[in-house]
Amino acid sequence: QSALTQPPSASGSPGQSVTISCTGSISDVGGYDYVCWFRQYPGKAPQLLIYRVDQRPSGVPDRFSGSKSGNTASLTVSGLQGDDEADYYCNSYAGSDTWVFGGGTKLTVL
Amino acid sequence: VQLVESGGGVVQPGRSLRLSCAASEFAFSNHAVHWVRQVPGKGLEWLSLISYDGSDEYYADSVRGRFTVSRDDSENTVSLQMDGLRHDDTATYYCVRALFDFEPHYFDSWGPGTLVTVSS
Repeated sequence: QSALTQPPSASGSPGQSVTISCTGSISDVGGYDYVCWFRQYPGKAPQLLIYRVDQRPSGVPDRFSGSKSGNTASLTVSGLQGDDEADYYCNSYAGSDTWVFGGGTKLTVL
Repeated sequence: VQLVESGGGVVQPGRSLRLSCAASEFAFSNHAVHWVRQVPGKGLEWLSLISYDGSDEYYADSVRGRFTVSRDDSENTVSLQMDGLRHDDTATYYCVRALFDFEPHYFDSWGPGTLVTVSS
């Protein structure tokens, strides 16, 4: 149950797009479409942004999009805004009824 | 959808603690519930899942054999019994509802978390 690999940090200017990667293996990200993404503000609980690789729950703006290629999933945040500054986590089903999170990426809006 | 954890606090190493997660405003008995924790300043760690009907329980290697999850649908609660606590169990513990009825996947609604501190 090793954590998925995310870059520790990412940044972009307002209006730009940023993509955060989440790399696992064939045992998790590459083997299943049960990938989701979360945003977490300091001191708050995480919020689901993307599920099933690229699906958005109701209420999540379409500025947030997800994709997957092989063992790597990606979250793209378009039209960066100040309140996008937060920590972002990926998660994947890892088989045998276990789930694994990424280490998290701190997104800074310059 | 609202989930609220309780039962956190300061506990000595080796002792036990029981966390509760109270749910409201949804068909609780249709949903699986996960427990996730977060060490202060660190990332998220999946700990446990209890299926929607309570028939199945699953655990991360780090807590298997020490933590036990259960649910009481009559009270709309899920509990996490934590035994043999260690210093590295210090974290904020979240209960999380699975997104879809009867399926375990996707961490939809999160409680605000309860802090557990293991310290002598």
